[in-house]
Amino acid sequence: GDSVTQMEGPVTLSEEAFLTINCTYTATGYPSLFWYVQYPGEGLQLLLKATKADDKGSNKGFEATYRKETTSFHLEKGSVQVSDSAVYFCALSESSGATNKLIFGTGTLLAVQP
Amino acid sequence: EPEVTQTPSHQVTQMGQEVILRCVPISNHLYFYWYRQILGQKVEFLVSFYNNEISEKSEIFDDQFSVERPDGSNFTLKIRSTKLEDSAMYFCASRSGSSYNEQFFGPGTRLTVL
Repeated sequence: GDSVTQMEGPVTLSEEAFLTINCTYTATGYPSLFWYVQYPGEGLQLLLKATKADDKGSNKGFEATYRKETTSFHLEKGSVQVSDSAVYFCALSESSGATNKLIFGTGTLLAVQP
Repeated sequence: EPEVTQTPSHQVTQMGQEVILRCVPISNHLYFYWYRQILGQKVEFLVSFYNNEISEKSEIFDDQFSVERPDGSNFTLKIRSTKLEDSAMYFCASRSGSSYNEQFFGPGTRLTVL
């Protein structure tokens, strides 16, 4: 079945460092891809998405490009802030599915130190 | 900004007891979901609900689970006879008919079964 694999955490960075969180997927069709973020004590929030190959999703300085050839959707940010500390989840949804359920990776904890 | 709400934030129960987790989705949304996250593991799909019936359920969603939209605003998950392994964070999500893929999540209910 469909699955998402993302890099293990925690990832600890200093403020203004460059961030990459790797995500790869396995899917039979042409999924949509997402990054969700969970701040401490809060629910999952959509950070960005891409619905087809070569699309780039971006929001709040974060970017991810849908790479069909490498089945990847890596999350990047050029300069992280302390306020970016959170758990980041990569997810996919089969666009052809009736319910558009989300399939998540395990999550990556990012800790940004001042 | 409209948001999904969940109550209670934390529920402690004895093994074998019934629990009801409540969610109020965003008011004009049509599709509703429950996910769960066992501590340290990935977020897993449980069930989706549309037009007053289950549209898809996972293997996890066995006969001890049920969902209901009793009054047009609440969306509930009932666990009939809780087991220790039901201890997890349960997330409710909803999406509109026009927002093809984006699901909006609630803050979650932490269920602890003793």
